[in-house]
Amino acid sequence: GAGVSQSPSNKVTEKGKDVELRCDPISGHTALYWYRQSLGQGLEFLIYFQGNSAPDKSGLPSDRFSAERTGGSVSTLTIQRTQQEDSAVYLCASSLEGRDYGYTFGSGTRLTVV
Amino acid sequence: DQQVKQNSPSLSVQEGRISILNCDYTNSMFDYFLWYKKYPAEGPTFLISISSIKDKNEDGRFTVFLNKSAKHLSLHIVPSQPGDSAVYFCAASNSGNTPLVFGKGTRLSVIA
Repeated sequence: GAGVSQSPSNKVTEKGKDVELRCDPISGHTALYWYRQSLGQGLEFLIYFQGNSAPDKSGLPSDRFSAERTGGSVSTLTIQRTQQEDSAVYLCASSLEGRDYGYTFGSGTRLTVV
Repeated sequence: DQQVKQNSPSLSVQEGRISILNCDYTNSMFDYFLWYKKYPAEGPTFLISISSIKDKNEDGRFTVFLNKSAKHLSLHIVPSQPGDSAVYFCAASNSGNTPLVFGKGTRLSVIA
């Protein structure tokens, strides 16, 4: 696709429910990243996929968070038993291999846990 | 521990004047720096970058300066335009193999 696509754009969920957030990266981009931005905060790194390598999960805040990237393309971020502190904008980005290319971000999913 | 710091949460500048956004970092292993711009309800977009082998990179109205000894970089926008009003994020990378580390952002308002 022309850009990074994220769905849904908005999600309201009840505390304790599971949610799945989807990211469609730019075709051909080998790297995919998940970040989140909580109110008044910067972009917090969550997880990073690069090609066929094992993902870098060092940013996941708890074991309630997990992510998959199927076929080197689409990624799903899953949050189990959501808590109110999980409320944030979840941003996905992709990039070509090599750091000289900036990330291309999607528009994000605004998650509200009530 | 914040490795990338943007100490000014907001900045207001008159149209036509220079905007200077500042960023400090603590990790001396960072060797590549980027600025992103974010409008409401959109994802951040890449603006300009600089490698640690340079001290200046210019692209049109945007110039980034890097002072490695001070672990400081700045983004200059001149002349500032109302369309530049957005949140600007500074980001840093270590050897390109680790995810970008972002600051908290500075909200720039350019007043006509």
